[in-house]
Amino acid sequence: QKEVEQNSGPLSVPEGAIASLNCTYSDRGSQSFFWYRQYSGKSPELIMFIYSNGDKEDGRFTAQLNKASQYVSLLIRDSQPSDSATYLCARGTGNQFYFGTGTSLTVIP
Amino acid sequence: KAGVTQTPRYLIKTRGQQVTLSCSPISGHRSVSWYQQTPGQGLQFLFEYFSETQRNKGNFPGRFSGRQFSNSRSEMNVSTLELGDSALYLCASSFTGTHEQYFGPGTRLTVT
Repeated sequence: QKEVEQNSGPLSVPEGAIASLNCTYSDRGSQSFFWYRQYSGKSPELIMFIYSNGDKEDGRFTAQLNKASQYVSLLIRDSQPSDSATYLCARGTGNQFYFGTGTSLTVIP
Repeated sequence: KAGVTQTPRYLIKTRGQQVTLSCSPISGHRSVSWYQQTPGQGLQFLFEYFSETQRNKGNFPGRFSGRQFSNSRSEMNVSTLELGDSALYLCASSFTGTHEQYFGPGTRLTVT
């Protein structure tokens, strides 16, 4: 049973649109959730983390956590071509992180 | 504040050899985790160290080992290399291990 599930995509959105990325997890004991962006050939870059139910906004990014339904999402507003990358969802329990396989996002100019 | 550094950035080895990779965490971070990333398997957790102690270990054979020094720098070693060990090896540091992790640039290992 996979720890973290993500739709692998690819997800394509036009420039300026909202991109919505989703992630579900199986362990109700999960305490923390993270979104990483990974450009091709590069290492993952942390863009958001969320620990409590609800929304957390940082610039064009909004992370949403619903522990009852066991999902976490990432919204990217006003998507730019530079947002084209693979987005990895991760959850943390204790001292260990579990990563999804990533969703590939392409923003079309 | 300087980020996570990893050395070397690229390595080419032949089957049967061994390799040691190094990771220096962000200053003040005491937790270091290692991951293997391949196109087919995604990010696979190898192990996590905190204050020189291995706290967690992923499902990898004993050929993969690691250690952490008193200054929080960490090394991982792979012995008897196999072709399937070709991957990007990533190190990530965290303040305690429960907080957010920050990745280094990775070491690209190619086994021929």
